[in-house]
Amino acid sequence: QVQLVESGGGVVQPGRSLRLSCVASGFTFSSYGMHWVRQAPGKGLEWVAVIWYDGSNKAYAESVKGRFTISRDNSKNTLYLEMNSLRAEETAVYYCVRDPRGQGEYDHWGRGTLVTVSS
Amino acid sequence: EIVLTQSPATLSLSPGERATLSCRASQSVSSYLAWYQQKPGQAPRLLIYDVSNRATGIPARFSGSGSGTDFTLTISSLEPEDFAVYYCQQRRDWPPITFGQGTRLEIK
Repeated sequence: QVQLVESGGGVVQPGRSLRLSCVASGFTFSSYGMHWVRQAPGKGLEWVAVIWYDGSNKAYAESVKGRFTISRDNSKNTLYLEMNSLRAEETAVYYCVRDPRGQGEYDHWGRGTLVTVSS
Repeated sequence: EIVLTQSPATLSLSPGERATLSCRASQSVSSYLAWYQQKPGQAPRLLIYDVSNRATGIPARFSGSGSGTDFTLTISSLEPEDFAVYYCQQRRDWPPITFGQGTRLEIK
C-alpha cells in the first residue's frame, strides 16, 4: 500500500535551517508529482510547494519563495524540503502529499512531521 | 489567488441527521474542487474530487455538488465517525493551491 513517511522535524531557532525528508513506498515514486502542505497548530491547511514527477518544474507559495527549496531523489524514493531563514509563524506540521495526476489534487498524505520554530 | 470561504465554521448535529457544508470561491473554479476530512491527530483524507467524484473507499453517504463558485458537501446520514473537520480545496488556478478555512462538524 502507499506509504509516505516524513522525518526531519524538530525544534529550531528563528533564522535557522532545517531539512525535511519524505520516503515513499508502495508506488512508483518517479511517476508522481509531490507536494508539501503545512498546518499550524489548531489552524487550516496551507500549500507550500510542488515538484513535478521528474523534478523538471517546481513552484512555491509566495510566503516561502526564496527561502524554501523542494527537491527529490527518484533513485531513493525520497522527497525533500530545505527550509532556510525559518520564522516563528512557520511552526506547523508539514505533510508530504502525493498528486495522482499532476494536477493539484491529493490522494495520499503522510502523517506529517512537526517543525517548531522557537528561541 | 482564489479564496475559498467555508460555512458554517461549526456545525452541530446528531448521528443520523443530514449535514450540508458549503464552500464558496472568490472566482470560478470550474469543476476543480475537492473535499477532505481531517480527524484529530490525523492527516487529511480525500473524500471527493472534481466536485462530485468519491475517492476510493469513501461511503456513498458522502456526496458533492455545485459548479463555478458555489459547492456543497452533503453527508446523508451522519455516522459517529463522521464528526471531524472538513476542508474544500481548489486546483483551477494554481499555483497556489488554496484551501478553505474548514468546517468543524461536531456532535450535538
